This record gives sequence, structure tokens and C-alpha cells, in this order.
Amino acid sequence: QMTQSPSSLSASVGDRVTVSCRASESVRMYLNWYQQKPGKAPNLLIHAATSLHSGVPSRFSGSGSGTDFTLTISSLQPEDSATYYCQQTYGTPWTFGQGTKVEIK
Amino acid sequence: QVQLQESGPGLVKPSQTLSLTCSVSGDSVSNGTNYWSWIRQPAGEGLEWIGRVYTNGATNFNPSLESRITISLDTSKNQVSLKLTSVTAVDTAVYYCAREPYSGNYFQDKWGRGTLVTVSS
Repeated sequence: QMTQSPSSLSASVGDRVTVSCRASESVRMYLNWYQQKPGKAPNLLIHAATSLHSGVPSRFSGSGSGTDFTLTISSLQPEDSATYYCQQTYGTPWTFGQGTKVEIK
Repeated sequence: QVQLQESGPGLVKPSQTLSLTCSVSGDSVSNGTNYWSWIRQPAGEGLEWIGRVYTNGATNFNPSLESRITISLDTSKNQVSLKLTSVTAVDTAVYYCAREPYSGNYFQDKWGRGTLVTVSS
């Protein structure tokens, strides 16, 4: 089971934003992050906990291993308003966190 | 450019079978480099992984749905299909197909736009 915190947050443009994801048991580094905007499919941001997917802005980064992971947006931009999901792929069934909604103040 | 597109009935009656197709362009479902997954999302809720199929037909399913699911490939049409039997209102969701590269770390790197399926009489 994957648990994200907070469920939602509001921050200003330029702020550093962090989203946490905790696994109920170790998933080693098998942790991915996705961004989803309303009415759209999710987009892969980070895979294997720390690897930035091709084409994703460098302001996004991931850290962690085992049970505790963090997605960081170093300088929040207006286009980053979205819901962010973590996903473990250590063992099937793959499972997602419940999502964190990031809003711009 | 890889593109995935889901298609199928938008309305299914309770107890019937939901059947969806994912048409893939820009990649081959039979080249052995990817799994092909289905994921769903009820309105306003989170994401649920349904299952996946590999080139050789091997599958993995979510145990919560396993008894009702079939996922298969049609290599002649370059398509992935999903069948979900005995549907109820809780199966109402947007259904996505996604590509999952066959690598040491698994993730979905290409997604279709999704298709809304409503279960209602």
C-alpha cells in the first residue's frame, strides 16, 4: 500500500514543493512518479525513484529508497498545477498512491 | 511517434462484458520490448492497475479483478484488448492503455487518452 502526503497543497510560483510517498513495505527503488492534469492521461516524470524521464523539466527530482520517497519541484511553475501520483512496481499488482493535488496560489 | 488509442462502447449494462481495444501506432506489440497494460480511474478517484500482457501472451493481473479479466494481443492489427466480465456500477471509470518497457524497472511511459466506460442499465 502506498500513502501520499499531503493530499493537497497550495504554493506560489517559484516555491520549492515536496510530495511524500510511503510504502507499507520496502519497494527498494521500484518507485515511479506521474503527473496528471484534469481530463488527461498521467505523464511519467520519474522512474526508479530518482531517474528523470526524457523530456521532463529538470526542476522535477525524486529521492528515497525502501519505504520513503519524495518528489521535489525546485521552483514551482504555473503549468505544474496537477495531481501527482507515486506508483510501486516492485511486485504485482502495481499500486498507486491516492494522489497529491498541487495548486498555485 | 508512439501513440495509443482506446476504443469501445461507452455504455455497458450491468452483468454484461466490457470490451475495449487499444490501437498502437509507432511501435509493435509483438517486438518483445514492452508489456502492454490497462489502468483505470473512476471519476474523481485515483489510479488502479488492471493488468498487463507481454508479447508471448504472458499476463499479470490485479488479484482484485483477476477472475473477470482477459487481456490479449492481436498482432495482426497491432492491438491490445481488455475484456472484463460481469460488470457492475463500480467498474464505471476511464480506462487507459499504456506501454510498459520490458526493463529492470517497470513504468508506463506512453499512455492513451483514455476512454470513459459507464456501467448502467
